[in-house]
Parts: sequence; C-alpha cells; structure tokens
Amino acid sequence: QQQVKQSPQSLIVQKGGISIINCAYENTAFDYFPWYQQFPGKGPALLIAIRPDVSEKKEGRFTISFNKSAKQFSLHIMDSQPGDSATYFCAASHNAGNMLTFGGGTRLMVKP
Amino acid sequence: EAGVTQFPSHSVIEKGQTVTLRCDPISGHDNLYWYRRVMGKEIKFLLHFVKESKQDESGMPNNRFLAERTGGTYSTLKVQPAELEDSGVYFCASSIQGLGYEQYFGPGTRLTVT
Repeated sequence: QQQVKQSPQSLIVQKGGISIINCAYENTAFDYFPWYQQFPGKGPALLIAIRPDVSEKKEGRFTISFNKSAKQFSLHIMDSQPGDSATYFCAASHNAGNMLTFGGGTRLMVKP
Repeated sequence: EAGVTQFPSHSVIEKGQTVTLRCDPISGHDNLYWYRRVMGKEIKFLLHFVKESKQDESGMPNNRFLAERTGGTYSTLKVQPAELEDSGVYFCASSIQGLGYEQYFGPGTRLTVT
C-alpha cells in the first residue's frame, strides 16, 4: 500500500513554462512534506518543504501548495529551465527524525 | 563540510554472493537512514539508526539484510545471500538529532544481482 501517491510519472515542459507535480497522502499523522530533486548519478537533495499549518510556501521559482482537507500537496516550478530537468520526489514524515515516505517520482524534462 | 558518502558506487554480483555497502554520514549527525529504490519505483525506507542503536528497522525486507553502525559513526549494510530482487539503488541519509526533519542523502550504491 503506497501511502504517498505522485503524479505524473513523467512531464515534458517547454522552457519558460510552469511545471506542476502533484502528490496525495493517506496518513493524517504526517506533519512534514518535503520535495526532493535528484539529478542522474546524485542522491536526492532537499528542494523545499512545508508543514501543514500553512497552505503555501515559495522559494524562488519553486512553490509548494498544500491542501490539508484534501490531503494533497503540489510542487509548482515557475519559468521552468532546462537545468530543472531532473527527477522530483515528494515525501512525507511525522515527528522529527522519523523515516520519510516517498512518492514514486516524476521525471521532468524541460525543453529549450 | 563533506556530505554523505557511500561506497561502492556500483556493485555487480551473482545471485547467492554477499555484498557489503558502506555509508559515512555527515560528521555529527546521529541519525542515519538506509533507503532503497527498486526498478524506478518509490524510494523505500529500510532502517534508522540513532547513534549505534537501531531505532526502526521495520522496512528491512528479510533476514538476509544486516545493518550495523559501529561506534555510531559509519554504517554497513550486508546482503547475504543476494537474490535477484535485491537489485536497486541503496541510499543512505543522515540528519542531526533533535533539530528537525531535514535528511541529507548520499549518492547511492547501485547494486545489480545477476
């Protein structure tokens, strides 16, 4: 049973466009929702994270939108660039120090 | 500051053989985690150390997997005997105890069992 479901599996966006990746979770005990970015040959790197007490968090071109009642959260990449081409993972956790539960990943390709 | 390092980066072994993966966490990080990604699926949790103690090993698939963390520093993950379904990328992550949720990942070890 996959506790965090991520879509789409792959995404192609033109340079300058908006990339949107969605995740849904089951466990209402989750209280931390990070997004990780992974380039080939590298490990996942934390991109941006949100707690359920806010509905949106923005860092540069990256924004997380969070809907607690729907148990959904999404990553928006504004003005997408070819350098953003990577695999993106959403994740969830509860209580500091506990394990992360990951979504299946989205392979993003930004065409020049 | 050095990041999380893992060794080897790749390993190809035959079914039935033994493989040992190593992870060196960021210095001062008491939390150490092992995760695995199989066949393009989600990254799945294997286990969590706090210093040298196993805090949570609920994700370990079976008793062919043995994890240790000597003296609360580096960790090893041994697979013995390896099966075909053990193929995947094994990630190690570390975090500071008590200071929040951020986990820093290593580059992973790609294990192929033939």
